[in-house]
Amino acid sequence: AQSVSQHNHHVILSEAASLELGCNYSYGGTVNLFWYVQYPGQHLQLLLKYFSGDPLVKGIKGFEAEFIKSKFSFNLRKPSVQWSDTAEYFCAASLLTGGGNKLTFGTGTQLKVEL
Amino acid sequence: EPEVTQTPSHQVTQMGQEVILRCVPISNHLYFYWYRQILGQKVEFLVSFYNNEISEKSEIFDDQFSVERPDGSNFTLKIRSTKLEDSAMYFCATREADKVYEQYFGPGTRLTVT
Repeated sequence: AQSVSQHNHHVILSEAASLELGCNYSYGGTVNLFWYVQYPGQHLQLLLKYFSGDPLVKGIKGFEAEFIKSKFSFNLRKPSVQWSDTAEYFCAASLLTGGGNKLTFGTGTQLKVEL
Repeated sequence: EPEVTQTPSHQVTQMGQEVILRCVPISNHLYFYWYRQILGQKVEFLVSFYNNEISEKSEIFDDQFSVERPDGSNFTLKIRSTKLEDSAMYFCATREADKVYEQYFGPGTRLTVT
């Protein structure tokens, strides 16, 4: 069965530190990959997405992610985090199946950035 | 920027009662989804809906659940007889017809079954 796993459940960083959050997926077919962010008290927002083409995708707020097919990974990165990046980050994947395009989520990573 | 809205933000109900969770999609969105997140667990897909029909549903979405778009604007999730294990955050998501992979999420409804 398709699944998405995030290995870092809680990450604490100081401002200006670099960030990398891991995401691995298990899918049998062509996969579309996403990172969503949920700031405290707010709804899920799309950070970035990968469908095809350049495996390095850039999203909003300076985030980027790299799709490595051989490793089944789609890790999220940011060179220098800010206090305002404190949030929960979810990796998700979908297959084009029957037009439904359901998202399968990872468990999420809670990021806390300290001043 | 247009947003998906959900009501209520928090619903407390007794076991066995029916609940209806409401979602107002972004106006030109035609595909609708419900997801839920039990505290401490993953966000899980429940159902997708298009053209007044269910497109896909998960194993979670059993006979106790139903969805409809009663008035052309609201998109509702009904749980007929709630169980304790239905306590979760329920998220609605919607998308445009031609933006297949861009789902916009609502803020969620926290359902507490006592």
